[in-house]
Amino acid sequence: GGIITQTPKFLIGQEGQKLTLKCQQNFNHDTMYWYRQDSGKGLRLIYYSITENDLQKGDLSEGYDASREKKSSFSLTVTSAQKNEMAVFLCASSMGFANTEVFFGKGTRLTVV
Amino acid sequence: GDSVTQTEGLVTLTEGLPVMLNCTYQTIYSNPFLFWYVQHLNESPRLLLKSFTDNKRTEHQGFHATLHKSSSSFHLQKSSAQLSDSALYYCALTGNMGYKLTFGTGTSLLVDP
Repeated sequence: GGIITQTPKFLIGQEGQKLTLKCQQNFNHDTMYWYRQDSGKGLRLIYYSITENDLQKGDLSEGYDASREKKSSFSLTVTSAQKNEMAVFLCASSMGFANTEVFFGKGTRLTVV
Repeated sequence: GDSVTQTEGLVTLTEGLPVMLNCTYQTIYSNPFLFWYVQHLNESPRLLLKSFTDNKRTEHQGFHATLHKSSSSFHLQKSSAQLSDSALYYCALTGNMGYKLTFGTGTSLLVDP
């Protein structure tokens, strides 16, 4: 088995601030994902990366940047935090084949004041 | 692009009654993979079951679902609900892009004693 570690667990930022969320996985998976979870809106894909140094935009990429520094790590940056924004950001990874399971981290909860 | 529709935001039922959570999808891909993920309170989503074979029943942990390509549906069922089934259930799809996993908005299942 493996584990996905997201840091920090809680992130409080100010409006307009640039904020970075980090994710590490030890599954040795090729594909990694960032999802945003909002109540009533489900899990929306922000960015994903098929392999090291690859980046693919998801459906919700505007306002975010991502970086796949190495196979085991995937970072997400909120380029300008929006006031009253509150969401959980979930990092995930998989072997990358269409029928394989995606494993999730425990999430980073973002609050913007 | 791909999309997944879960029409019920909240389903409340009494322990022992049957469960049915609806999921329909849209994709241009002729052989999509469909998934159900479950998220219990304060936990991460995890895979419950998956399928890509038309009209074949898939079962896991007492739940079952059948992919019907003719109606683009993958409804989740269980014959008898348990209190421990209370959770958030997501239907998901991998369609024309094998790496991109698209989720529905989720259905909260609340089982009362």
